[in-house]
Amino acid sequence: DVVMTQSPLSLPVTLGQPASISCRSSQSLVHSDGNTYLNWLQQRPGQSPRRLIYNVSNRDSGVPERFTGSGSGTDFTLKISRVEAEDVGIYYCMQGTHWPPYTFGQGTKLEIK
Amino acid sequence: QVQLVESGGGVVQPGGSLRLSCAASGFTFSNHGMHWVRQAPGEGLEWVAFTRYDGSIRYYADSVKGRFTISRDNSKNTLYLQMNSLRPEDTAVYYCASDIYASGIDYWGQGTLVTVSS
Repeated sequence: DVVMTQSPLSLPVTLGQPASISCRSSQSLVHSDGNTYLNWLQQRPGQSPRRLIYNVSNRDSGVPERFTGSGSGTDFTLKISRVEAEDVGIYYCMQGTHWPPYTFGQGTKLEIK
Repeated sequence: QVQLVESGGGVVQPGGSLRLSCAASGFTFSNHGMHWVRQAPGEGLEWVAFTRYDGSIRYYADSVKGRFTISRDNSKNTLYLQMNSLRPEDTAVYYCASDIYASGIDYWGQGTLVTVSS
């Protein structure tokens, strides 16, 4: 199974400041069809997960432009340009290239400093 | 808009059974694969099972293989998860999730809590 490793696991950020989360996979996530199935999820307190980014860098509908995904191969990053209060929660990376099973990172807890 | 509504969770004794349901709307259910994903209290996400749009292909996590069965009724737009031989470590919120746009798991339901305890 592909192991997804996120860092940091805890991320205190001042409102209005940028934030960055790293995700590394144990093997390349480039699929034979040429796509890279690396997604980012947000889980706000008490809510179910919501997908923010799919295929490394594509924002889902309704996701603010301050969220940006990047990376390739085995190294990926989610960046928030200016953190807002509503961004508090846990962020997960998830791979869908080598499945089953789908695998997730451990989660990064973003909090306001 | 896509809606996924799970039901059927509750408290069950070890060794018992439970069937979860997920009512889907807002998309053509019969055309798309569906997943179950779970989250133990205070823990991360674990993929559980997948069914192809017509139910002809099903995949399971090793942790549930042989005990859980995923199925669907396309006439009712409903996804199911039959859980047998339940263990305390199966205690989790179970989410139904769709696979609509060929980019992996996309929409998630609100989840239903399963507690396995004596």
